[in-house]
Amino acid sequence: GNSVTQMEGPVTLSEEAFLTINCTYTATGYPSLFWYVQYPGEGLQLLLKATKADDKGSNKGFEATYRKETTSFHLEKGSVQVSDSAVYFCALSDRQGAQKLVFGQGTRLTINP
Amino acid sequence: DSGVTQTPKHLITATGQRVTLRCSPRSGDLSVYWYQQSLDQGLQFLIQYYNGEERAKGNILERFSAQQFPDLHSELNLSSLELGDSALYFCASSYRVPYNEQFFGPGTRLTVL
Repeated sequence: GNSVTQMEGPVTLSEEAFLTINCTYTATGYPSLFWYVQYPGEGLQLLLKATKADDKGSNKGFEATYRKETTSFHLEKGSVQVSDSAVYFCALSDRQGAQKLVFGQGTRLTINP
Repeated sequence: DSGVTQTPKHLITATGQRVTLRCSPRSGDLSVYWYQQSLDQGLQFLIQYYNGEERAKGNILERFSAQQFPDLHSELNLSSLELGDSALYFCASSYRVPYNEQFFGPGTRLTVL
């Protein structure tokens, strides 16, 4: 079945540091890929998405590129802020059928001032 | 605010009891998904409804059931509760377009004592 693997956390960085959170996937066909963010005490918010190979999703300074050849969708941000502290989830969904989301285990990110 | 509402926000109950969690999707969304977030299992898909009909089942226990009503709100019923059912339960909704994008509610935190 489909699966998503994220780099293990927690990740702690200083403000203005460069961020990379690795995400790889296993899927049949060509899934859509997502990054969701969960702030403390809140639900999941869609951060960005990509629906086909070589697509780049971007939002709020975060970027991720759909790499079919390496089955990866790594999240990057050039300069993190304290307000980026949250748990980040990589996810995929099939384009057909139920289109349920399959999530990675989540990566807790803490940014220190 | 995603536009998806869930009630109650918190629920504390005892083992063996039955509870009902409620979800109202975004206006216009026909599809409702239920997910469970626990420390040991992570985020897991439970069940999906589309316009009143069950479309897909994931790792949902037989003690759990759901339905979607004509006004498109959904309820998740959990019965014979066990300590291990303590978790965050999220509802998400989407309008059935290609490359599914799901919007999540704030979740219901269930504590079974």
